[in-house]
Amino acid sequence: GESVGLHLPTLSVQEGDNSIINCAYSNSASDYFIWYKQESGKGPQFIIDIRSNMDKRQGQRVTVLLNKTVKHLSLQIAATQPGDSAVYFCAAPGGSQGNLIFGKGTKLSVKP
Amino acid sequence: ETGVTQSPTHLIKTRGQQVTLRCSSQSGHNTVSWYQQALGQGPQFIFQYYREEENGRGNFPPRFSGLQFPNYSSELNVNALELDDSALYLCASSRQLAGGLADTQYFGPGTRLTVL
Repeated sequence: GESVGLHLPTLSVQEGDNSIINCAYSNSASDYFIWYKQESGKGPQFIIDIRSNMDKRQGQRVTVLLNKTVKHLSLQIAATQPGDSAVYFCAAPGGSQGNLIFGKGTKLSVKP
Repeated sequence: ETGVTQSPTHLIKTRGQQVTLRCSSQSGHNTVSWYQQALGQGPQFIFQYYREEENGRGNFPPRFSGLQFPNYSSELNVNALELDDSALYLCASSRQLAGGLADTQYFGPGTRLTVL
């Protein structure tokens, strides 16, 4: 089955800097990946997704890069703001219908 | 904010009791998935409902059960509560696409369950 894991449990950045959050996955057949943001006391919020036929996808201030060769994806946040402080999860479909496998998350802290 | 709502927001139960959690899916969505999130961990898949039937299940015992109603809302029932069931319970709604593929899952705010 699939497993996903984030490289760092915590990340601290200065306001205005760019943030990069990394994630590794195990199943080379995985064809869909999602990034979620979870603020304290709230449910995960969809940020951006990417299909395996793409290497890069951009959203508003966010970019996801997918490297299928090394089974790695990253989330880049440009000009990080205090409102970006949250736990970020990467997720991928698991073996069961409807199952998303989540990593443990990276807690992003933004210093003013 | 998504259009997914959950009730109640918080709940305290004692060991051995039963609990029912509710979820209303986002407009246009026909599929509901339930997840358990322990403190400091990522969400873990419990099961998914589509067309009022369970069509996928994670590694949870049978005392975790659910329902989906014709309006696509859903319930999660947990019997014989254990201390380890204390967690944030999340529901996520999505659309089932052609070929059985699921679209992006959008999460509700969760129900915080505490078992004493």
